Amino acid sequence: TQLLEQSPQFLSIQEGENLTVYCNSSSVFSSLQWYRQEPGEGPVLLVTVVTGGEVKKLKRLTFQFGDARKDSSLHITAAQPGDTGLYLCAGAGPGTYKYIFGTGTRLKVLA
Amino acid sequence: KAGVTQTPRYLIKTRGQQVTLSCSPISGHRSVSWYQQTPGQGLQFLFEYFSETQRNKGNFPGRFSGRQFSNSRSEMNVSTLELGDSALYLCASSLLPGATNTGELFFGEGSRLTVL
Repeated sequence: TQLLEQSPQFLSIQEGENLTVYCNSSSVFSSLQWYRQEPGEGPVLLVTVVTGGEVKKLKRLTFQFGDARKDSSLHITAAQPGDTGLYLCAGAGPGTYKYIFGTGTRLKVLA
Repeated sequence: KAGVTQTPRYLIKTRGQQVTLSCSPISGHRSVSWYQQTPGQGLQFLFEYFSETQRNKGNFPGRFSGRQFSNSRSEMNVSTLELGDSALYLCASSLLPGATNTGELFFGEGSRLTVL
């Protein structure tokens, strides 16, 4: 069974601070995605990474896919209150049609 | 273009009853997947349909079932409801089946089910 563990589970920081969220598994994924979910809404895709070692940047967000395609990280620089939400990683295993979602990291950025 | 539409948004049922939830995908999307989201278990995959065929199924009991119609609209049904079925049920659509395509899953706002 493929599992995606995210850490930390909860994070409360002040505006302007930096943070990193981790997504780890013992399984290899053909691709990995990061989503953000705000209260009362469904998750919204932030990025997809497919190549081991790949780094993608989205404004203040930096995403990295591990060399072995088993883990990923999300780094936010100078966090803002608008970054508040539930961050979910999701991996697609080889030969399956389903995405496995991580346990989630709930981020709160205080003004 | 219109997003993924789920109905109803909220519903309350009692134990033993059944419920049917509906999902209309984005126009042109042929894949619909369903997820259950709870505070304790997170987002868990229920099943995925593509062109009216169930492509994959998660580890849920047979009380959970679904189907997809020729217009790609999907329904899921939960029979003999239990208290633990209380959750947010999310539907996501995409152009192609999940892992064959690294494209985006577009989620609806969900149907929040409360079982009393």
